This record gives sequence, structure tokens and C-alpha cells, in this order.
Amino acid sequence: NAGVTQTPKFQVLKTGQSMTLQCAQDMNHEYMSWYRQDPGMGLRLIHYSVGAGITDQGEVPNGYNVSRSTTEDFPLRLLSAAPSQTSVYFCASSYSSPREGAFFGQGTRLTVV
Amino acid sequence: AQSVTQLGSHVSVSEGALVLLRCNYSSSVPPYLFWYVQYPNQGLQLLLKYTSAATLVKGINGFEAEFKKSETSFHLTKPSAHMSDAAEYFCAVSANTGRRALTFGSGTRLQVQP
Repeated sequence: NAGVTQTPKFQVLKTGQSMTLQCAQDMNHEYMSWYRQDPGMGLRLIHYSVGAGITDQGEVPNGYNVSRSTTEDFPLRLLSAAPSQTSVYFCASSYSSPREGAFFGQGTRLTVV
Repeated sequence: AQSVTQLGSHVSVSEGALVLLRCNYSSSVPPYLFWYVQYPNQGLQLLLKYTSAATLVKGINGFEAEFKKSETSFHLTKPSAHMSDAAEYFCAVSANTGRRALTFGSGTRLQVQP
């Protein structure tokens, strides 16, 4: 089983560039989310979705957009990259019940120069 | 609102020694609690979870955690550390009302000395 697949694994952007981080899951999960991981800060929620067509903001949404046109895919868009967005990004998916925890992708390491 | 505090950003133990990683939570509703492990350059893997059944929860790789409501704690333990346990460990909480996303602690890096 593929689980949660993120692409790319690594990316270097110049300040001001835009890009899309891809996330796909094959477990038919309703709930998907994006986190960023920074040293000493754990993982912080950027955006999440409770189903196709429904998205909402997390703790740190500024500078990021999301959409959810299908159950499987949940891309994260950086509109105009800034050095403060240098981080490791994780996509996660889970069943609708919060009891189950979440399945995480392998992460995308993004550097903005 | 919910939050998680992990005491100790780095913990070092000898191989064969007890592992104790501390986690305290704050939640306005009965929480679901999780421990995740992250090996270098990898994603997070679920170790164990508390979902209001048994207060002592057993997970993978010999880890267990005890939910103590009076102390608002969910500490992770393993009786005997192995070199392969070296990783970063995250405690997380979610609620079954409102936004159900996971809220993470800042993580504890476990080092195992030979």
C-alpha cells in the first residue's frame, strides 16, 4: 500500500517564486491536513480538509493555499515563497474519527533562498 | 483549546536502561492522545494511542504509556532501551469536537548510548 505520498522530497525555491507541494492518499480517508515542522516547535497545522470541497485554516495559514477537489489529493500552494517558509512539510490523512490518529507522508524539505 | 508540553527536548539513556519521555496535555474536552516516532529524514509513525478505553496503552516496539487524568499526563516508557530506539518522539492530542486536527508537542530527541 502506498499510504500517503508526497512530492517532491526536496525543493529549493528563490524568494518570490510559487510552487505546489503534492499530496495523495489511497486509503479513502476523509480528513487530510498539512503541517510544517521547524526545529524545537513540533508540527504546526497549516490547513486541513474534512472532505472534498471543504478546507479550513490551521494555526499558520498565511502564505499558503489549499484546495480539495478529490478525496485522494490535497495540494499545498505557496503563492510567493519567503525565507520564513523554509521548513519540512508533512501531509497527513486520517479517518473521520479523531480516535484513529493520522498517517503521515515522508515529508518535503523546502528551502527558500 | 488544547496544548501539549513535552519536558526535555533531549533525553540520553544507556542501552538497556529505562526510557521515560514526559508529556503533559491541556484539553477542555476528553482528549485522544498519541505518541509518534520520527526516524531521521522520515515521516511520523504512530507508536500508540489513548482513546478512553484502558489507561495503560501498549504500542509497537515495546513502548507503553499511561494516561493519568489527575496529572494530565501521558508519559511514554520502555523498560529497556535499544540502539534502534534513537529517534525523535512527539506527543499529540486531538479532541472529538471542533477542529479535530492533531496538536503536537515540541518533540523529544532520544539518544541511546552504547
